[in-house]
Amino acid sequence: EAGVVQSPRYKIIEKKQPVAFWCNPISGHNTLYWYLQNLGQGPELLIRYENEEAVDDSQLPKDRFSAERLKGVDSTLKIQPAELGDSAVYLCASSSGQGTTTQYFGPGTRLTVL
Amino acid sequence: AQRVTQPEKLLSVFKGAPVELKCNYSYSGSPELFWYVQYSRQRLQLLLRHISRESIKGFTADLNKGETSFHLKKPFAQEEDSAMYYCALYGNQFYFGTGTSLTVIP
Repeated sequence: EAGVVQSPRYKIIEKKQPVAFWCNPISGHNTLYWYLQNLGQGPELLIRYENEEAVDDSQLPKDRFSAERLKGVDSTLKIQPAELGDSAVYLCASSSGQGTTTQYFGPGTRLTVL
Repeated sequence: AQRVTQPEKLLSVFKGAPVELKCNYSYSGSPELFWYVQYSRQRLQLLLRHISRESIKGFTADLNKGETSFHLKKPFAQEEDSAMYYCALYGNQFYFGTGTSLTVIP
């Protein structure tokens, strides 16, 4: 079992460019999370999916960020256009159920915006 | 508002010494509390949760509702405990603290 898979692992772009991150959760996990982790900070939830439904996206900056999980399996997080302040690690996690079930994290995508 | 506070960004202890990583929270209801750990070059992973009342790798954590704390403790630190530790709270969503970097000195 590969665990949660994320790609790319690293991405460097210039500001105002678009960028997309991909996440494949552990097989059978219905719940998928996207987190943002700034340097020296803990993960901050951006969006949570239950199957294909976004059940909590209150922290997602909707003017430039979007996410989808069309078939309730893998998910894509997009930023368009990227800003300098978006430089961070983007983490994906999955769990087999809601709430307090254990989250399994991916390795993250480190984004650098120049 | 839900908040998790880890007052120590860095903590160093000698091998064999006791270690305590502090976590305080604010939440109006009855939250679930967790400790997550990230070892060097590894993924963030669950260490323990208060509801399980378990000891993992010698670590324990007791939820003190009166003091709204969930401190992580280990009586004898080992070098392999050096890692980044995050306290997390689940109320209606997950909130993570800013983390404490623990270094165990040989």
